[in-house]
Amino acid sequence: DAGVTQSPTHLIKTRGQQVTLRCSPKSGHDTVSWYQQALGQGPQFIFQYYEEEERQRGNFPDRFSGHQFPNYSSELNVNALLLGDSALYLCASSGLVFTDTQYFGPGTRLTVL
Amino acid sequence: QKEVEQNSGPLSVPEGAIASLNCTYSDRGSQSFFWYRQYSGKSPELIMFIYSNGDKEDGRFTAQLNKASQYVSLLIRDSQPSDSATYLCAVTLRNTDKLIFGTGTRLQVFP
Repeated sequence: DAGVTQSPTHLIKTRGQQVTLRCSPKSGHDTVSWYQQALGQGPQFIFQYYEEEERQRGNFPDRFSGHQFPNYSSELNVNALLLGDSALYLCASSGLVFTDTQYFGPGTRLTVL
Repeated sequence: QKEVEQNSGPLSVPEGAIASLNCTYSDRGSQSFFWYRQYSGKSPELIMFIYSNGDKEDGRFTAQLNKASQYVSLLIRDSQPSDSATYLCAVTLRNTDKLIFGTGTRLQVFP
C-alpha cells in the first residue's frame, strides 16, 4: 500500500523565483492538504484540495497557489519567493470516512537564498 | 493565546518509564484530536487520534481527552530510546479538516 509521496526531496531557489512542489496521495485517498513547517514550529495549514477544487485555505498570501488533478495528485506553486518561504513543505492526504485523519508525506525541504 | 499549546521541553525520562505529554487548546469547537511523532529532519507520523472524552489505548500509547478542561494528553509506557522525538498535538475544528498544530514537545528517553 503506497503511502503519500512528494517530489522533489530538496530544492534550492533564489529570491523572486517560482517553485512547484508535487504530491501523490495515499492509495484510496482523495483529499490533499498542504502545510508549511518552519524550523522549530508546528506545521501551518496552507490549503486543501478536494474534487480538483480548493476547499479550505489558511492565512497564506496569493503567492501560494495549488492544483489537484483528476488522479487526486496535487501541486503547490509559490511565486516571487522570499527568504521567509524557506521551510519544510508537507503534503497530507485523507480519505472518505475519517476525512480529518491525515497522513503526511516525507516533505520537500525548500531553501530560498 | 495560541490555539494549541504544548510545553516545548525537552522532557527527559529514563528508559522504561512513563512519558506524559500534555496539550491544551483554546477553541471549544475543537472536534478531533491527534498526536503525531516527528523525528529530526523527518515528516510527522500519526500515532493516535481521539474524538471522545476519556482514554484510548493503542499498544504502549494512551491518549486522554478532557473536553471540559480543553486538555489532551499522550502517555507512553515503557519508554524506549527510539521514542526520542518531537511530539506534535493537533486539533481540527467542527466542519473543517484543517489541522491546527502546537509547536511540539521534544521527548528524550535516556538509557
